[in-house]
Amino acid sequence: GQNIDQPTEMTATEGAIVQINCTYQTSGFNGLFWYQQHAGEAPTFLSYNVLDGLEEKGRFSSFLSRSKGYSYLLLKELQMKDSASYLCAAYSGAGSYQLTFGKGTKLSVIP
Amino acid sequence: DAGVTQSPTHLIKTRGQQVTLRCSPKSGHDTVSWYQQALGQGPQFIFQYYEEEERQRGNFPDRFSGHQFPNYSSELNVNALLLGDSALYLCASSFEGTDNYGYTFGSGTRLTVV
Repeated sequence: GQNIDQPTEMTATEGAIVQINCTYQTSGFNGLFWYQQHAGEAPTFLSYNVLDGLEEKGRFSSFLSRSKGYSYLLLKELQMKDSASYLCAAYSGAGSYQLTFGKGTKLSVIP
Repeated sequence: DAGVTQSPTHLIKTRGQQVTLRCSPKSGHDTVSWYQQALGQGPQFIFQYYEEEERQRGNFPDRFSGHQFPNYSSELNVNALLLGDSALYLCASSFEGTDNYGYTFGSGTRLTVV
C-alpha cells in the first residue's frame, strides 16, 4: 500500500526558517516530489529527489533519506507569499505513472 | 506559452447528474493525468491517458471515465454524481519519457454536487 504522512498545519514568522517533514511507506519508490499550492491555484513544482541527500534551490531545499522513508522541505528567509499548502508526493516508477500525495501541510507565515 | 488549461473553473451539479470536465495540456505535452482533490486533502490519482488510451487507473469507480483526443486534450466524465464527488479536479500534463518530472498542473475545476 501507499502511505504518505505530513503535518497538517504549521506557522512560522517572516524571515525565519521552517522545515516541513514527510514520511512515506510505498510498495515501490523511485523519487519524492514537493509541490507548492496556493489556495485556489494549481500545484507548482518545487523539487524532485531521487538520490539521498540535500538539494538546494535558492531559498528552498529538499532532503531525502530512502532508507528511512523520510524527506523534508526547508524554506529559508520566509516571505509572506510563502503562505501556502506544501504537498509531498511519492513516485513509484517501474510501470506506475501515478503520484501518491500526502494531505498537504498548510503553512502560515506571520509578520 | 500557455500552461495547462481547464474548463470550466467552477461547476454546480445536482446529485445523479452527469458532468464533463475538459483539459488542454501544455504545448508539447502528450500525456494527461486527472486527480481529485477533496477539501483539506492531497490530490488522488484518477487515471492517466497516453496515445488516446487509458493506461493506468487509480481506485475510482467506473462512474469516472475519460477520453483523450488526437490533439492530446482530454475529458473527464463523471456519471450519477454523488455528494462525495464534490472536489477540485486537477489535470496534469507531461511529456512521455520525462518520468513525471515535467508534470504541469492546471488550476482545476471546482465541482460542487448539491
